[in-house]
Amino acid sequence: EAGVTQFPSHSVIEKGQTVTLRCDPISGHDNLYWYRRVMGKEIKFLLHFVKESKQDESGMPNNRFLAERTGGTYSTLKVQPAELEDSGVYFCASRPQFSWENTEAFFGQGTRLTVV
Amino acid sequence: AQSVSQHNHHVILSEAASLELGCNYSYGGTVNLFWYVQYPGQHLQLLLKYFSGDPLVKGIKGFEAEFIKSKFSFNLRKPSVQWSDTAEYFCAVNRRSASKIIFGSGTRLSIRP
Repeated sequence: EAGVTQFPSHSVIEKGQTVTLRCDPISGHDNLYWYRRVMGKEIKFLLHFVKESKQDESGMPNNRFLAERTGGTYSTLKVQPAELEDSGVYFCASRPQFSWENTEAFFGQGTRLTVV
Repeated sequence: AQSVSQHNHHVILSEAASLELGCNYSYGGTVNLFWYVQYPGQHLQLLLKYFSGDPLVKGIKGFEAEFIKSKFSFNLRKPSVQWSDTAEYFCAVNRRSASKIIFGSGTRLSIRP
């Protein structure tokens, strides 16, 4: 069974440009999460999808970030326009059931974003 | 604010030494608890988890963790570390009433061969 996959693995863009990150969760997983880790700090929650609906987007930093999950399968996270402080590693995770009471999250390898 | 605290940012041990990494959380109520590990160049993977039952949980590679509810703690232990345990370790918590998993800042473990 394929794990959570993220694309690209690395991205270097200039300030002001747009970048789109993609996450393919494990097939059949309703729950999809985006996280970010900046410069060795904590892995910070960004948002949570249940199928195609945003369940919790309380961690999104500002309106330059837009996440979508059309059709409830893969998800994209777009940053437009990118700023220097957006640099970091963006992780995606998925969880197999709507109920989170007895399941863990499975993580992708992350996308390292560098804004210069 | 809700938080997860990992007390040690970087731990350096010799092989065969015992390990204990501290983790405290600030939530009330029922929680799920996790330790994730990230080996160099690899993705985050689950080391062990606690949902209910015996507060002493066993994970992979000889790791274990003890949930002490009164102390809001979930410390990770291993009696004898190996060089291959060199990695970054993250404690994580989610409240049963919420979906998101909250992570600590991570502890980098370096093992001297």
